[in-house]
Amino acid sequence: DIQLTQSPSSLSASLGDRVTITCRASQNIATYLNWYHQQPGKAPKLLIYATSSLQSGVSSRFSGSGSGTDFTLTISSLQPEDFATYYCQQSYSTPPYTFGQGTKVEIK
Amino acid sequence: EVQLVESGGGLLQPGGSLRLSCAASGFTFKIYEMFWVRQAPGKGLEWVSYISGSSSTIYYADSVKGRFTISRDNAKNSLYLQMNSLRAEDTAAYFCVRGGGAGTAYGFDIWGQGTRVTVSS
Repeated sequence: DIQLTQSPSSLSASLGDRVTITCRASQNIATYLNWYHQQPGKAPKLLIYATSSLQSGVSSRFSGSGSGTDFTLTISSLQPEDFATYYCQQSYSTPPYTFGQGTKVEIK
Repeated sequence: EVQLVESGGGLLQPGGSLRLSCAASGFTFKIYEMFWVRQAPGKGLEWVSYISGSSSTIYYADSVKGRFTISRDNAKNSLYLQMNSLRAEDTAAYFCVRGGGAGTAYGFDIWGQGTRVTVSS
């Protein structure tokens, strides 16, 4: 099974900061990588699919890049609603539909 | 409005059974792959099960294989998860999720609000 490792596990940032989260796959997954965020007490929400495609209705301050085994989610200017936990997920080799362990973005 | 609404969660003892339901609305349910994803308290997301639009293909996570059964009724726009032989480690919020298409290359695009299952003696 493909494993996904996110880094860091948590980070503290201020409003307006540029934030980068990394997801590393245990083997080549081409560009079959999706990103979600989950605000406290809410369901996860799809942000980006296929590495870099922005889901409809999602702010353009979110962007994704990468291929193969290394992927990045970038938030260009952190907003209050962005303080959440972020998960990557691979859809290259399924099942299982593996998620990363999550990255919690907290207010500095 | 595209929506998924789960129900059926609750508190039960180890070894018990429970059936979760998910009511879909606002989209053509029968053409979408559907999933159950769970999240234990304070933990990350864990994929549980998958079912194709026609129910011809079904997958389970190893952690629930042989104990859980996924099914759907396209006439009722509903997804189900029959959970048997429940264990304490099955305690979680269970989310009903829609696959975005192209074999999930488009991600899990619609999530329900979740229903909580607690297994405790």
